[in-house]
Amino acid sequence: AQSVTQLGSHVSVSEGALVLLRCNYSSSVPPYLFWYVQYPNQGLQLLLKYTTGATLVKGINGFEAEFKKSETSFHLTKPSAHMSDAAEYFCAVSGGRRTGGFKTIFGAGTRLFVKA
Amino acid sequence: DTGVSQNPRHKITKRGQNVTFRCDPISEHNRLYWYRQTLGQGPEFLTYFQNEAQLEKSRLLSDRFSAERPKGSFSTLEIQRTEQGDSAMYLCASSGEGTPSTDTQYFGPGTRLTVL
Repeated sequence: AQSVTQLGSHVSVSEGALVLLRCNYSSSVPPYLFWYVQYPNQGLQLLLKYTTGATLVKGINGFEAEFKKSETSFHLTKPSAHMSDAAEYFCAVSGGRRTGGFKTIFGAGTRLFVKA
Repeated sequence: DTGVSQNPRHKITKRGQNVTFRCDPISEHNRLYWYRQTLGQGPEFLTYFQNEAQLEKSRLLSDRFSAERPKGSFSTLEIQRTEQGDSAMYLCASSGEGTPSTDTQYFGPGTRLTVL
């Protein structure tokens, strides 16, 4: 079975500060990992994903995440927060090659607040 | 705009009534997903279609729920004899690149169901 844990349901940072949103996963097979963002009244949008290869993944809007197998983590970072980054962020895992997995498991989400 | 569309955007119904939601995926996508999202939680997988075939159905989906995707195009999700616990946002997503576990899912804006 797979699961995702996002540490902190709310994170508040000042504009220009580092953004760090934490995600840990559990998977019995090599996972595929995703970060999605949800702005108010909009659908979820993919920020970035890790499937294979380089463990540091760069996404849209200056976000990046690093897959660390030893720590079962996939934390999301951005060097300098912008007011427009305020949104809900979801970490997700899917089954990977062995299961042909199409079932995506989402974390509970972290709401990011950016203070001026 | 050729994104995923969902109708209606909001539905208020009385307990015991039947409701039906529609999802129109991105036209060239052959995979379609339904999720349910409750307040403070991430999306929960409900079901998955590849073309017109329903390949997976979550145990979350009771017998009151049914989904169809005739002709592999739009999809409908019907809830019979609604209960207050069915109140949630119902999300649809579609994809069509790569393998099911790696490709990017594009989400619609959701249908918010309120059962009184």
